[in-house]
Amino acid sequence: DTGVSQDPRHKITKRGQNVTFRCDPISEHNRLYWYRQTLGQGPEFLTYFQNEAQLEKSRLLSDRFSAERPKGSFSTLEIQRTEQGDSAMYLCASSPRLAGGQYNEQFFGPGTRLTVL
Amino acid sequence: TQLLEQSPQFLSIQEGENLTVYCNSSSVFSSLQWYRQEPGEGPVLLVTVVTGGEVKKLKRLTFQFGDARKDSSLHITAAQTGDTGLYLCAGFSGSARQLTFGSGTQLTVLP
Repeated sequence: DTGVSQDPRHKITKRGQNVTFRCDPISEHNRLYWYRQTLGQGPEFLTYFQNEAQLEKSRLLSDRFSAERPKGSFSTLEIQRTEQGDSAMYLCASSPRLAGGQYNEQFFGPGTRLTVL
Repeated sequence: TQLLEQSPQFLSIQEGENLTVYCNSSSVFSSLQWYRQEPGEGPVLLVTVVTGGEVKKLKRLTFQFGDARKDSSLHITAAQTGDTGLYLCAGFSGSARQLTFGSGTQLTVLP
């Protein structure tokens, strides 16, 4: 399977604990995105990387959130001191560079469902 | 802030019926994507439209991008139970460099 993969698929943690999620994009895609999705809503953008550079961060990404993509391949998203409001589906997507230099299409992984008790 | 509004929010129909889902914005998008998402899974890309007035067909699904590139519609002909899912539109603006999603239309097709 050459799609986007995410690990773990589910994570249950207690408030105040740190959690880390991993995303492996499609190998030839150089852009990688993180989104958060709560029930009944569409995904909300958190941050994105082009290769190893983090180019944009949403205001949703508080100081407790940090994302890395050290070698321009897989990425990790860490949440420190989790809060109940962090409970959501965390989605990763990757995007190929299309003819003309655009990155219109994003391909999503299955997501990591986080529950903070 | 770019905003995409989808309507209806919920839609329940019988198998074999036709339906249309709408995606509207006051902003202009350089391209617009439609995704379908099933419970516990990530969104799956269905189509990308980039040209104002463009119409794309994917079997029983017809997608249209508005002339002004501010709105889009998805029409499903003879819906099947396998069409059940959350349909999301998402607009890409070169200035924003990331997708803005609508809140989705939850479609249920009953047998």
